[in-house]
Amino acid sequence: GQNIDQPTEMTATEGAIVQINCTYQTSGFNGLFWYQQHAGEAPTFLSYNVLDGLEEKGRFSSFLSRSKGYSYLLLKELQMKDSASYLCAVRGDNYGQNFVFGPGTRLSVLP
Amino acid sequence: DSGVTQTPKHLITATGQRVTLRCSPRSGDLSVYWYQQSLDQGLQFLIHYYNGEERAKGNILERFSAQQFPDLHSELNLSSLELGDSALYFCASSGGGSLNYGYTFGSGTRLTVV
Repeated sequence: GQNIDQPTEMTATEGAIVQINCTYQTSGFNGLFWYQQHAGEAPTFLSYNVLDGLEEKGRFSSFLSRSKGYSYLLLKELQMKDSASYLCAVRGDNYGQNFVFGPGTRLSVLP
Repeated sequence: DSGVTQTPKHLITATGQRVTLRCSPRSGDLSVYWYQQSLDQGLQFLIHYYNGEERAKGNILERFSAQQFPDLHSELNLSSLELGDSALYFCASSGGGSLNYGYTFGSGTRLTVV
C-alpha cells in the first residue's frame, strides 16, 4: 500500500518563501507530482520528479529524495493568488493504476 | 480549459435518487479516473478505466458504478443516494503522451444530496 503525509495547514506572508513537505511510503515508485487546487476547483499540475534532485519552474521548485521518501515544494515570492491547497501525489507500481494523493496542505498567504 | 469535460457542473438531488455523471477525456487519452472529494477532504480514488476496460478500483461503494464507452467517454452512476454522498466528483484522464504529467482533471461535478 501507500501512505503520504503532508502538513495540514501553513501560513506565510506575501513576498516570502514557503516550503511544503511531503513524506511517502510506497510499494513502488514511478514519480512524484505536485498539484495546486483552489477551493472548489480542479487540481492543476505544478511539477513532476522521478529522479533525485531539484526541478525548478519559475517561482515554484520541487525536490525529491527517493532514499528518504521525501519531497518538498518551494514557493518563492509568494502572491495572494498562491493561497490554495497543495497536493502531493505518488505514482507507484503499474503506471496509471496506482496514483495516490496526499491529504493536501492548505496554504494561506497573508498581506 | 484542460481538455477534460465533465457534465453537469452542479447537481442537486434527493436522498434515494440515482444520478449519472459524465466525463469526456482529453483527446488522445485512453485512461479515465474518477475521484471523490468531500468537503475539506483529500481526493479519494474511486475507479480507473483504460480503453473501455476496468483497471483498478479504489474505495468505491457498491451503490456506485462506472463504465467507459467505445468513444472513451465515461459515466459514473451513483444510486440510492445518501446525504454523505454530497461531494465534488472529479474525472481525470491520462495517456497519449502525458505520462510525465500525471493526470489532467476536469472541472468537476458538485453533487448536493438533500
